[in-house]
Amino acid sequence: DGGITQSPKYLFRKEGQNVTLSCEQNLNHDAMYWYRQDPGQGLRLIYYSQIVNDFQKGDIAEGYSVSREKKESFPLTVTSAQKNPTAFYLCASSLPGAHGELFFGEGSRLTVL
Amino acid sequence: AQTVTQSQPEMSVQEAETVTLSCTYDTSESDYYLFWYKQPPSRQMILVIRQEAYKQQNATENRFSVNFQKAAKSFSLKISDSQLGDAAMYFCAYRSEWGGNRDDKIIFGKGTRLHILP
Repeated sequence: DGGITQSPKYLFRKEGQNVTLSCEQNLNHDAMYWYRQDPGQGLRLIYYSQIVNDFQKGDIAEGYSVSREKKESFPLTVTSAQKNPTAFYLCASSLPGAHGELFFGEGSRLTVL
Repeated sequence: AQTVTQSQPEMSVQEAETVTLSCTYDTSESDYYLFWYKQPPSRQMILVIRQEAYKQQNATENRFSVNFQKAAKSFSLKISDSQLGDAAMYFCAYRSEWGGNRDDKIIFGKGTRLHILP
């Protein structure tokens, strides 16, 4: 079945450690997105990518990094520079235009201890 | 920059009744898409309904319909015959029409939590 897979579902890390969240899609979508969800804040865009080897900062990119070496994969690294990394992270993908619908993964919950 | 505002953080409705969730947005563009997404307790985001700005006719999907007022930049969601399974967080979202524009953000509101009362 086609879809988006995020892993791990739950992740704990100590302060000062970098952590990478995986996002893989087999929908053949060009565009991929990372959102952060906090209570009362909705979904805030971290990074997005329209094509391989290209990506743009979203509204809250500080303390995060991404890569887009393959069309199917868009990993997000939460660095030690991110001051409040505890959150729920959602990865999404879409075709450009074409009704513009986003398809979401199941999310990753990161907790910093 | 585009913004999306959902002014109702929480709402409640009696089962089988009708409820309307509000959404307003701000944009200088003429072509765009609007969406309502549902996030149940599982936290899986589910598309409820979509509206193309160039279409005057309001979108409808079974018990879900929208009231799209382009001039007023308003995009409300009406849920008819509310069911217990409708209890969720609902997000309104805006997307620009694709035109090779690298700045292809999809902007979400802060959400409205809908409670269904049995």
